Amino acid sequence: KQEVTQIPAALSVPEGENLVLNCSFTDSAIYNLQWFRQDPGKGLTSLLLIQSSQREQTSGRLNASLDKSSGRSTLYIAASQPGDSATYLCAVKPGGTGANNLFFGTGTRLTVIP
Amino acid sequence: GAGVSQTPSNKVTEKGKYVELRCDPISGHTALYWYRQSLGQGPEFLIYFQGTGAADDSGLPNDRFFAVRPEGSVSTLKIQRTERGDSAVYLCASSSRGPTSYNEQFFGPGTRLTVL
Repeated sequence: KQEVTQIPAALSVPEGENLVLNCSFTDSAIYNLQWFRQDPGKGLTSLLLIQSSQREQTSGRLNASLDKSSGRSTLYIAASQPGDSATYLCAVKPGGTGANNLFFGTGTRLTVIP
Repeated sequence: GAGVSQTPSNKVTEKGKYVELRCDPISGHTALYWYRQSLGQGPEFLIYFQGTGAADDSGLPNDRFFAVRPEGSVSTLKIQRTERGDSAVYLCASSSRGPTSYNEQFFGPGTRLTVL
């Protein structure tokens, strides 16, 4: 069974810093990897989706990379802002016809201090 | 148009009662997923629909849980004889194609279920 781990569990940084969130997964046979943002008491907002054939995706101040062979992804946030404070979740969709769902990590809770 | 919507946003019930949670997917999305998220954890898969049929219900924890999608759009998750351990946020997601595509899953705001 695919297992997804996110490190660190929590991170606190001053405003303006660049930061990296880490995600690792045990089975490299994936279709894609998604990064989500979750605000307290809210649902999930999709940030970036990286297909298995891609190495990275960028959206604004966010850049996600994927190293499928080593089972790792990173989410880079540039010039962090207090509004970036949230929990960030990564999720993988396994390869193979039998896989119908996403496997999630437990998230990294980010606090950006003004 | 609108994103995935879920009702109610909060549901408090007593142990042993029956509850129904509703999900309205994005219009035109054929794939619909239910997940459950416990406090401090990532979402865990419950069931997946492609059209009207439950293509994969391997994540349902036991036979007290059941879901339907009779017309291929709105879905209802039904929980019988609720237990305190069922307390969690139930999330619904939809995507425009089936599971063997790269399409993103878009999530609703969730229903927070509390079983007293």
